[in-house]
Amino acid sequence: RKEVEQDPGPFNVPEGATVAFNCTYSNSASQSFFWYRQDCRKEPKLLMSVYSSGNEDGRFTAQLNRASQYISLLIRDSKLSDSATYLCVVNGTNAGKSTFGDGTTLTVKP
Amino acid sequence: AAGVIQSPRHLIKEKRETATLKCYPIPRHDTVYWYQQGPGQDPQFLISFYEKMQSDKGSIPDRFSAQQFSDYHSELNMSSLELGDSALYFCASSSGWGTGELFFGEGSRLTVL
Repeated sequence: RKEVEQDPGPFNVPEGATVAFNCTYSNSASQSFFWYRQDCRKEPKLLMSVYSSGNEDGRFTAQLNRASQYISLLIRDSKLSDSATYLCVVNGTNAGKSTFGDGTTLTVKP
Repeated sequence: AAGVIQSPRHLIKEKRETATLKCYPIPRHDTVYWYQQGPGQDPQFLISFYEKMQSDKGSIPDRFSAQQFSDYHSELNMSSLELGDSALYFCASSSGWGTGELFFGEGSRLTVL
């Protein structure tokens, strides 16, 4: 089993749709959690950190469920510019590395 | 603001050759990470350095080595290149150990023929 697993996707949604991605992690001692966004052939960029209490940034909401060891990302009112691959990232107790999920590809269509 | 600088951006090598990738972290960042991303795959962690010491090791082949220098820049040396080494190699930096957010360079695309 991979350390970090994501919804396989791809997700193809119309503009204005709400879409949710889930990610599970196997290390119960994991300390910090993030969602990164990666555009085709570009470097990953931090979208948002995920806090235990959940957090929101505009149309994006991230939640963490430590008991079930999963994190989620909700995108409301999807825009064409949201089309990208979304990577779930988990840092363990020895946070010398960040472990990436396989990524979920989102395509928002007009 | 200054970002993570990687060089070269593109590199073409033949099998069994050697390649060196360089990474210059964001000023005052003391931690550097190397990732390898094959076509259609997620970034795979190779190795990291904190304060010029190797801090963690991932799926880095024995043919590869890396180090972080006194000015905090890092180099990834790859020898006896194989076709399967063709990938996008990302360097990322962060401030402090385990603080979370990684800032990525634009990557170095290695093609092995």
